[in-house]
Parts: sequence; structure tokens; C-alpha cells
Amino acid sequence: NAGVMQNPRHLVRRRGQEARLRCSPMKGHSHVYWYRQLPEEGLKFMVYLQKENIIDESGMPKERFSAEFPKEGPSILRIQQVVRGDSAAYFCASSPATGSTYEQYFGPGTRLTVT
Amino acid sequence: GQNIDQPTEMTATEGAIVQINCTYQTSGFNGLFWYQQHAGEAPTFLSYNVLDGLEEKGRFSSFLSRSKGYSYLLLKELQMKDSASYLCAMWAGNMLTFGGGTRLMVKP
Repeated sequence: NAGVMQNPRHLVRRRGQEARLRCSPMKGHSHVYWYRQLPEEGLKFMVYLQKENIIDESGMPKERFSAEFPKEGPSILRIQQVVRGDSAAYFCASSPATGSTYEQYFGPGTRLTVT
Repeated sequence: GQNIDQPTEMTATEGAIVQINCTYQTSGFNGLFWYQQHAGEAPTFLSYNVLDGLEEKGRFSSFLSRSKGYSYLLLKELQMKDSASYLCAMWAGNMLTFGGGTRLMVKP
């Protein structure tokens, strides 16, 4: 059973470009969470999605950031017009829809560097 | 609001026991998690407490007191590979809220 997959693992963007981060949840999981981890800091919640629905985006910056989890395909976190402060590790986690819905399994992360 | 605190760094000796404390404040608390994170890697699940008391899993144990807003992670028989960051996180509402992590260094 493959774990949570994220790609790319490393992404370098120049200021002003767009960054697109992908997350494929574990098989059988329909809940996806995105977290951001700045250097030397803890993880900060960004957004919680289920298939075709954003459930909670209270942790996501209002501008430049968006997330989706379409019916088919991976969840995508999109950052437009990136700035240096967006440099961080972005982790995706997934959990099942029923049973132990609180158990979140993390992907390996995408390390974004903005130059 | 929500707040969660844990020490920034700790050092311990191989073979010893170390306790990492975590205090939290929140409304709508549903449980307390501990994750281990090695540098440059994803967090991996260690334990989950929803009721008061001690949960033991091999060398690792986790304790929760809901009335005090307090948890600790106990690591026994420390090994060098236990050098990592340990993240305390509370489950409330739809999300995990993480502390800043405690960086544990195990020395020979």
C-alpha cells in the first residue's frame, strides 16, 4: 500500500513565478490536509479538503494561495507570484473518511525555494 | 484561541530516559498527538491520546491530562537514532495544531 506521495520533492522558483505542488493521498483516503513548515519552525495548518470540496482554509493566506482536490487526480496547492517568504517545506497528509479519521499520514514534503 | 508549547531543545545520553513536555490551550479539544521528525523528512506518527492517562508503546510512552492541558512523551533506553525533533500536536476542529517541536540530541 503506497503511502502519501508528493511531487516534486524539490522545487525552485524565481520571484513572481507560480509554484504548483501535488499530493496523492494514500489509497482509500479521501481527506487531504496541507501544512507549511518554515525553517526551524513547527508545521502550520493551511487547508483541509475532501474530494471537490474545501472544508477548512482558515490557515491559508488570502492572496496568491489556492488549493483543490478534484474528483480525479491529486490534490494541488498553487502559489502564484511567489515571494522569498514562501520558501518552506510543504507537507501533505491524508486520512481515511471513516474509522480513524484523526490519523493523518504525512507525505515526504515538497521543499520550495524561491530565489 | 489555540496555543501549544514545548521546549525548543533537549539533550540526553544514550541509554537514558528523557521526558518531553507539552502544554496546550484550546477549545474543542479532541486529542493529543506526538510525531517524530528527522531532519529533512516527513513527520511520522508516534502516539495519540484522547483520554487521561498513560499510553505505552515499546520504548515510547505518552501521557495526557486534559484538565491540566498537559502531555508528555517519555522515551526510554535512548538510542542515537532517536535524535530528532518531536512534535506535539492537538486535534481540534478540523486540523492538527502543532507546537514548534523539541529538538532532541542523544549523545554517546
